[in-house]
Amino acid sequence: EVQLVESGGGLVQPGGSLRLSCAASGFTFRNYWMSWVRQAPGKGLEWVANIKQGGNQKYYVDSVKGRFTISRDNAKNSLYLQMNSLRAEDTAVYYCARDKAGGGFDYWGQGTLVTVSS
Amino acid sequence: DIVMTQTPLSLSVTPGQPASISCKSSQSLLHSDGKTYLYWYLQKPGQSPQLLIYEVSSRFSGVPDRFSGSGSGTDFTLKISRVEAEDVGVYYCMQGIHLPKTFGQGTKVEIK
Repeated sequence: EVQLVESGGGLVQPGGSLRLSCAASGFTFRNYWMSWVRQAPGKGLEWVANIKQGGNQKYYVDSVKGRFTISRDNAKNSLYLQMNSLRAEDTAVYYCARDKAGGGFDYWGQGTLVTVSS
Repeated sequence: DIVMTQTPLSLSVTPGQPASISCKSSQSLLHSDGKTYLYWYLQKPGQSPQLLIYEVSSRFSGVPDRFSGSGSGTDFTLKISRVEAEDVGVYYCMQGIHLPKTFGQGTKVEIK
């Protein structure tokens, strides 16, 4: 059974940093692109970033470029999102998702809440 | 960025009746490989999104056959042949052909 379990969310002040983790199991992690998708409270879904199988290609939505860094450790079956210079508008539930061939997401984690507030 | 526009934004349906959601993209989602990368997700209350339909019309594993997808190019439709109580939630379309991947605003489906 495919499982994705996020952790690392919490309350952080504007300008602060946070590192999210996603532990993957039930599939061969190193064979898949992986993504982060977020959902602000009461709002819709927004793709944030994705990373290729080997970690050598990474893409970001414009609003987080230069502030967020996606990475992975295939030996640990783990995906990460380092978030720096956090803003109030980054407040959201952050989901880890497995990329399906063709760009969609076939499995999602339960999400971890990030709140940016003073 | 590709803009995905869903209509309606909310839908109230009697159990056993059909429902239909439209999704229009600002650019064609037809890839040079011949596939069209349009997806449908359902986010049930308090849950993570779940994949229903991929590449316009293919049902994901375990998705009931009352769900069907159709369309081409820039116009797409999700149909539920007979709505059940467990189908309540917010439905999103998404395009995967261009970065950034973008979602529609969501359509909230409730039961009358």
